[in-house]
Amino acid sequence: KQEVTQIPAALSVPEGENLVLNCSFTDSAIYNLQWFRQDPGKGLTSLLLIQSSQREQTSGRLNASLDKSSGRSTLYIAASQPGDSATYLCAVEGGLNTNAGKSTFGDGTTLTVKP
Amino acid sequence: SAVISQKPSRDICQRGTSLTIQCQVDSQVTMMFWYRQQPGQSLTLIATANQGSEATYESGFVIDKFPISRPNLTFSTLTVSNMSPEDSSIYLCSVGLTGAGEQYFGPGTRLTVT
Repeated sequence: KQEVTQIPAALSVPEGENLVLNCSFTDSAIYNLQWFRQDPGKGLTSLLLIQSSQREQTSGRLNASLDKSSGRSTLYIAASQPGDSATYLCAVEGGLNTNAGKSTFGDGTTLTVKP
Repeated sequence: SAVISQKPSRDICQRGTSLTIQCQVDSQVTMMFWYRQQPGQSLTLIATANQGSEATYESGFVIDKFPISRPNLTFSTLTVSNMSPEDSSIYLCSVGLTGAGEQYFGPGTRLTVT
């Protein structure tokens, strides 16, 4: 059974700082890994999708990397802004005994960026 | 991409009643998923809804409690039956392409059971 862990659980930084969120997973036989953002009481917004054959994806100030062999991904946020404050979720599709299309989520990292 | 809408956006229900949540997608998709997010926790998959076949439930979830319909490739419903306060959660519908696709989520339905 795939398990996903996110560290840290919470992070507070001053505005302008660069930061890294971590995600690890137990089974490397994945199809892809996706990072989401969730604002309080809201649904999920997709940030970046990394296919299993890719090493990284970039969108604006966000960069996500994937090291499938070690079961790790990082989400790098450059020049953080108060509007980046949210919970960031890592989701892995696939893994041992997990069918395609089914994702396993980590518990998330709650980020607070202070003005 | 896919745009997903859910109804209702939120509801407050009494113990013992049932609520049906609707999920509508703006394009035809093979697989639809229903997740639950309990307060302060991450998402847990309830079931996979495939058009033309019975839904597949994850461990800990049963059809009698969470019946699902999937009448066509753009629509699905999830019913939360005989509700108790422990069912208070956000219920999210999602769709994805098999294998290598991006997963998209609806805005969620916030359910409070009193």
